[in-house]
Amino acid sequence: ETGVTQSPTHLIKTRGQQVTLRCSSQSGHNTVSWYQQALGQGPQFIFQYYREEENGRGNFPPRFSGLQFPNYSSELNVNALELDDSALHLCASSLLDRARGYTFGSGTRLTVV
Amino acid sequence: AQTVTQSQPEMSVQEAETVTLSCTYDTSESDYYLFWYKQPPSRQMILVIRQEAYKQQNATENRFSVNFQKAAKSFSLKISDSQLGDAAMYFCAYRSGRDSNYQLIWGAGTKLIIKP
Repeated sequence: ETGVTQSPTHLIKTRGQQVTLRCSSQSGHNTVSWYQQALGQGPQFIFQYYREEENGRGNFPPRFSGLQFPNYSSELNVNALELDDSALHLCASSLLDRARGYTFGSGTRLTVV
Repeated sequence: AQTVTQSQPEMSVQEAETVTLSCTYDTSESDYYLFWYKQPPSRQMILVIRQEAYKQQNATENRFSVNFQKAAKSFSLKISDSQLGDAAMYFCAYRSGRDSNYQLIWGAGTKLIIKP
């Protein structure tokens, strides 16, 4: 099992810039979800992709967008960065099975200044 | 909308002792799944234990067990024989049983401190 890997581990961007975060899913997993975790809080669901299509979205504006590739790797893109986007961004992969938990990566710590 | 509440921001326990972390949730659904995740300083969320709402039997994974009270909407985690490696943030999470709803809804977490 390869697990979930995310890159980069840390990133500092300026307000108004755009950022792309990357995630490599666990081998055999066809579903990827992205979460945003502000300091001292639980994660918040951004969106989920299944077979390259977005099939679920949380309360995040359209400037948060994503992609899932045929090899099930994924990207989270954020445009027009705001200071409140500073957070740990977690990627999680799974099979499309309601009962299963997700396998998480170690996240990307994004700081917007 | 579903909510998850963890009322203990921080708990401490002596090594080798037992500790219970509390979690309550609110939902109108009858089919759902509950999870406990551990987040050590490495930041990776690690699944500790999961419970299907339709199962009355409480889930157990080695030193970790849950007390699932469906009517009371309570889902507590018991850690027996606490070890230094158990120190971490613990999050309770809810997932709907509906196929159209995939998101995990999380509590704010409980920081567990293990005293040697």
